[in-house]
Amino acid sequence: AQKVTQAQTEISVVEKEDVTLDCVYETRDTTYYLFWYKQPPSGELVFLIRRNSFDEQNEISGRYSWNFQKSTSSFNFTITASQVVDSAVYFCALRGSGGSYIPTFGRGTSLIVHP
Amino acid sequence: EPEVTQTPSHQVTQMGQEVILRCVPISNHLYFYWYRQILGQKVEFLVSFYNNEISEKSEIFDDQFSVERPDGSNFTLKIRSTKLEDSAMYFCASSEEGLQDPRSYEQYFGPGTRLTVT
Repeated sequence: AQKVTQAQTEISVVEKEDVTLDCVYETRDTTYYLFWYKQPPSGELVFLIRRNSFDEQNEISGRYSWNFQKSTSSFNFTITASQVVDSAVYFCALRGSGGSYIPTFGRGTSLIVHP
Repeated sequence: EPEVTQTPSHQVTQMGQEVILRCVPISNHLYFYWYRQILGQKVEFLVSFYNNEISEKSEIFDDQFSVERPDGSNFTLKIRSTKLEDSAMYFCASSEEGLQDPRSYEQYFGPGTRLTVT
């Protein structure tokens, strides 16, 4: 069975602070895919990044960076110099390579960035 | 930029009524999905659809639910007899088909339909 844990329910920061959102996953599959999505207050889900299990290279995209650590089954997301527009709920998700196509989402972390 | 669209944005219905939620996936995508999100909770998978048939469904997707691709562009979710607990945001998503494992492709989500059952 797959599981995604986002232990931080809500994080509150002041603008320009750096913030890291944690994601820990469990899967028996040797090949799997990890995703992060952003859900702003308007409600839509916005794809941020995909990471394959066989690619442990970390990624940076502007103020966003992702740290994939296979050894600890974590795929953490850092926002550098946070801005008010970063306020949203962020979901981490996992899809395995076994027979199922069903993705597993974490419960989400609500990030509030205060001006 | 191509996007997934959903209509209506908000649907209010009475318990026991049938509702149809509509989605137009991105035009060159071949995998389609429905998810739901009860207010404040996590996103839950309902069903995936490929090649004009359901490829997988979750336990939530019982006999009250059905999906259809009535033409080349629309993808619908029908709830036959709505219950109070069906109140949620329903998201449609689509992903492309390529040479890689289809599960590796990112899903593009629509803006959602908020269903309120009274």
